[in-house]
Amino acid sequence: QKEVEQDPGPLSVPEGAIVSLNCTYSNSAFQYFMWYRQYSRKGPELLMYTYSSGNKEDGRFTAQVDKSSKYISLFIRDSQPSDSATYLCAMSSAGGYQKVTFGIGTKLQVIP
Amino acid sequence: DVKVTQSSRYLVKRTGEKVFLECVQDMDHENMFWYRQDPGLGLRLIYFSYDVKMKEKGDIPEGYSVSREKKERFSLILESASTNQTSMYLCASSWDNTDTQYFGPGTRLTVL
Repeated sequence: QKEVEQDPGPLSVPEGAIVSLNCTYSNSAFQYFMWYRQYSRKGPELLMYTYSSGNKEDGRFTAQVDKSSKYISLFIRDSQPSDSATYLCAMSSAGGYQKVTFGIGTKLQVIP
Repeated sequence: DVKVTQSSRYLVKRTGEKVFLECVQDMDHENMFWYRQDPGLGLRLIYFSYDVKMKEKGDIPEGYSVSREKKERFSLILESASTNQTSMYLCASSWDNTDTQYFGPGTRLTVL
């Protein structure tokens, strides 16, 4: 079993829809949780960064962490065609060298 | 803004050639990383460095070496390129062990 599981998709939604992207993980030591967005043929760019459990909102994006269920989510409201990209979840544990474990990425297409 | 640059966007080499991939960051980050990204496998850590002249093996170091002579520069070396090293190579950097990683644009390497 992989440490981080993420459905690769693809996920196709109409413009304006609410998108829910999810990852599950098995390592209870993970404390830092990130979402990266990667456009085709580009490097990943950081979208959201949260520590421990709870919600974090930034514009149309909301990140949720449920450590009791080992489940993290990224919600995109009012999705736009420009949101079409691959979304990677990433997580790491506290203390010492911080090795980041990435999900495989979910490919999202927002159709106009 | 953090800027991580990579020496080439696209590179084509022949089997057996020695290949150098360079990465430069301009934010005085302590840590630097090299990943490869392949369809269905996601991001895999090759090597990382937490200080000048220091290096640590990641998950898939075989066939690669690295060099970090200056804080801002981290090089990945393929001593004798093979076709199974055809991939997207991504460099990243971070400030410290609790900071997120910032990625470069990637180098798409094809080994013929």
